[in-house]
Amino acid sequence: SQTIHQWPATLVQPVGSPLSLECTVEGTSNPNLYWYRQAAGRGLQLLFYSIGIDQISSEVPQNLSASRPQDRQFILSSKKLLLSDSGFYLCAGSRNTEAFFGQGTRLTVV
Amino acid sequence: KQEVTQIPAALSVPEGENLVLNCSFTDSAIYNLQWFRQDPGKGLTSLLLIQSSQREQTSGRLNASLDKSSGRSTLYIAASQPGDSATYLCAVDTGANSKLTFGKGITLSVRP
Repeated sequence: SQTIHQWPATLVQPVGSPLSLECTVEGTSNPNLYWYRQAAGRGLQLLFYSIGIDQISSEVPQNLSASRPQDRQFILSSKKLLLSDSGFYLCAGSRNTEAFFGQGTRLTVV
Repeated sequence: KQEVTQIPAALSVPEGENLVLNCSFTDSAIYNLQWFRQDPGKGLTSLLLIQSSQREQTSGRLNASLDKSSGRSTLYIAASQPGDSATYLCAVDTGANSKLTFGKGITLSVRP
């Protein structure tokens, strides 16, 4: 079965510090990959998606970037975090239409 | 732009009740619809996937229906249990690279 591994589970970072969240996929090849953010009281917002290595599309203008150096690896980054980057970040994959999600990273920017 | 609505935002029921969670979407041109469960502080677990050509899907005590023309889906939970307490999210796939548009979810509490 398809599995997303995402780490770390929680992260507290100061404003202005860099960020790197990583997720890896098991059980399938050439999946579409996604980064979503879930803010308190709001739905999941799609930040980035990728249909292949080095193919990244951004859905909303923001302080974050994404990269896909390998087929099953998807990385979310920032050079300088803002307070507004706090939230719950979820990596997801899709293969043959059904989506599967990682366990999420709770990011608190202080 | 596709919008997905789930009302109410929260629901509390006694154990054993059969219940229906509603989801509506504005653009009927969808590829599929998926229901997810999210426990506090955790990721999403896929419950049921309904393709646009299907009317319903069943898994155990769960049954999801889809009426594309009216932009509605329901998730039916039979004989609810305290372990069903979680947030239930509905998401539609418009087929453009399988990007999902989510509702805000319904937080269900099943009282023993």
